[in-house]
Amino acid sequence: NAGVTQTPKFQVLKTGQSMTLQCAQDMNHEYMSWYRQDPGMGLRLIHYSVGAGITDQGEVPNGYNVSRSTTEDFPLRLLSAAPSQTSVYFCASSDQGNSGNTIYFGEGSWLTVV
Amino acid sequence: AQSVTQLDSQVPVFEEAPVELRCNYSSSVSVYLFWYVQYPNQGLQLLLKYLSGSTLVKGINGFEAEFNKSQTSFHLRKPSVHISDTAEYFCAVSDQGTYKYIFGTGTRLKVLA
Repeated sequence: NAGVTQTPKFQVLKTGQSMTLQCAQDMNHEYMSWYRQDPGMGLRLIHYSVGAGITDQGEVPNGYNVSRSTTEDFPLRLLSAAPSQTSVYFCASSDQGNSGNTIYFGEGSWLTVV
Repeated sequence: AQSVTQLDSQVPVFEEAPVELRCNYSSSVSVYLFWYVQYPNQGLQLLLKYLSGSTLVKGINGFEAEFNKSQTSFHLRKPSVHISDTAEYFCAVSDQGTYKYIFGTGTRLKVLA
């Protein structure tokens, strides 16, 4: 049972480059989200989706785009990377009904922008 | 708006001593409450959660938490910690009927030999 799978695990980007962090879940969860984790700031919500075709902004959406074309996938795009986007990114999913509102996290993607 | 406050950024404690990690939240509606643990260079794992019913919730690894609605708190406790409990602990809140979760800034528990 794979759960939530994120790729890549590590990535170094140059300022201005673009990239996509991939996220897939195999639990048929409706809700998916992206967080970034920075020292002393906990987890901050970037974007979330309550179902295929529906996305919304979280606390820190600037510089990031998302789409949700299928239930399983929720990629996060950085269009023009900036050093301020150096962080650890976590994808998560949840289903209110079956998992009792538990969020399941991926293992994280460490991104460095130089 | 929802918010979660974890007042202690770091908590050092000796092995086999008890520990309490504090969490307070603000919300105008009924909530679900969670504690997650993060070991170094790993993702977050669920320790325990409060959805409804008994206010004392037991989780994995001997941890428990008590929901106190009047004080809007959900403190995490363990009567005797082990070196392996060294990790970062996050409290989270979600309004009932929504999917949105808000996390606290985390408490780093360091267990000393």
